[in-house]
Amino acid sequence: GAGVSQSPSNKVTEKGKDVELRCDPISGHTALYWYRQSLGQGLEFLIYFQGNSAPDKSGLPSDRFSAERTGGSVSTLTIQRTQQEDSAVYLCASSLVLGGRRVGETQYFGPGTRLLVL
Amino acid sequence: QKEVEQNSGPLSVPEGAIASLNCTYSDRVSQSFFWYRQYSGKSPELIMSIYSNGDKEDGRFTAQLNKASQYVSLLIRDSQPSDSATYLCAKRAGNNRKLIWGLGTSLAVNP
Repeated sequence: GAGVSQSPSNKVTEKGKDVELRCDPISGHTALYWYRQSLGQGLEFLIYFQGNSAPDKSGLPSDRFSAERTGGSVSTLTIQRTQQEDSAVYLCASSLVLGGRRVGETQYFGPGTRLLVL
Repeated sequence: QKEVEQNSGPLSVPEGAIASLNCTYSDRVSQSFFWYRQYSGKSPELIMSIYSNGDKEDGRFTAQLNKASQYVSLLIRDSQPSDSATYLCAKRAGNNRKLIWGLGTSLAVNP
């Protein structure tokens, strides 16, 4: 595809339910990022995948949050036992990343998944 | 002190004026800086990246970086109503490719 895609675009769930959010990065991009943006707030880093390296999970807010990236492409962010404070827009981004240099640093964002926990 | 700080605004400028957006950061190690634009209800999109001290121009946009003073700015010349958006400043977190983001400055360009 031409850009980063995310699904679903909107998700309404009840407190305590599990949700899965999907991200399909730009073809060939080796780096994938998940962010969370609450209403009127900045971007909060959640997790970063780079190739076959161990992911950087330092931004995950609790052990209810997990993410995986299968085959170096599609990623799924899972939130277990959702809470109302999990309501936010979840954004996925990917970047090309060539070697260790600046080339390919630009992160391209998907349209986001708007999660509402009732 | 937040790692990346921006004035939340709103910054209001008349159409055709120069809009000046500022961002300060808390370390002397960061090397890569980015300005993204985010329209309401949309995802961020890259405007400019800058790595060296000085100015970098791209059309109506000029990014300015001063590593000694730890600030990066974005100037928008001949501002248009379509420039009305939130402008996010970000820096690369050292060798890790994740970005550290400011909270953004809201810009309103009035016709």
